[in-house]
Amino acid sequence: EAQVTQNPRYLITVTGKKLTVTCSQNMNHEYMSWYRQDPGLGLRQIYYSMNVEVTDKGDVPEGYKVSRKEKRNFPLILESPSPNQTSLYFCASSPRGREVGTQYFGPGTRLLVL
Amino acid sequence: DAKTTQPPSMDCAEGRAANLPCNHSTISGNEYVYWYRQIHSQGPQYIIHGLKNNETNEMASLIITEDRKSSTLILPHATLRDTAVYYCIVRVARSGNTGKLIFGQGTTLQVKP
Repeated sequence: EAQVTQNPRYLITVTGKKLTVTCSQNMNHEYMSWYRQDPGLGLRQIYYSMNVEVTDKGDVPEGYKVSRKEKRNFPLILESPSPNQTSLYFCASSPRGREVGTQYFGPGTRLLVL
Repeated sequence: DAKTTQPPSMDCAEGRAANLPCNHSTISGNEYVYWYRQIHSQGPQYIIHGLKNNETNEMASLIITEDRKSSTLILPHATLRDTAVYYCIVRVARSGNTGKLIFGQGTTLQVKP
């Protein structure tokens, strides 16, 4: 089954404790992206990747890192989480070219930073 | 990317067609209309997209006016599981930019028994 998976689905952590949210897709998609969703602010793009070893900042990259060492995986790293990073996070993937607007989203990771 | 305007909420009776409108009066010639939906806190789900011709797939139909300034998403036989927030997004199809999807406030569709 074609899908985007995220782990963990729920996470409670404390300020400053490094964490990684994994994202994996099995569709051989070149494009991958991370969004966060907050009440009243909608979905905002954090980082995106056009291909392996190619990443770039989205609208709200501060406090986040990403890497794209292999095509299927695009982990989101919070080196020193803070309470303002409490949010619902979604990973998405898409073929490049004409179909980049057709994106497949993961189920989401709900993060609480205390 | 062009801005879209959608009604904040709509109701639909189960089994009836749900018609969700979207205005995009500033759309450019190379911009497509995409529809996504998000069922309570789940990941957004792609529904359909089109440029100028009407489109249909197993989930829905998309009707785009001839001047392309508005469109309508049609769910032909709405079920309770179609209750969700529906987003109309206008953007160029190809990459070459961030690939970002700009989700507005969307339309909350409530399907009622």
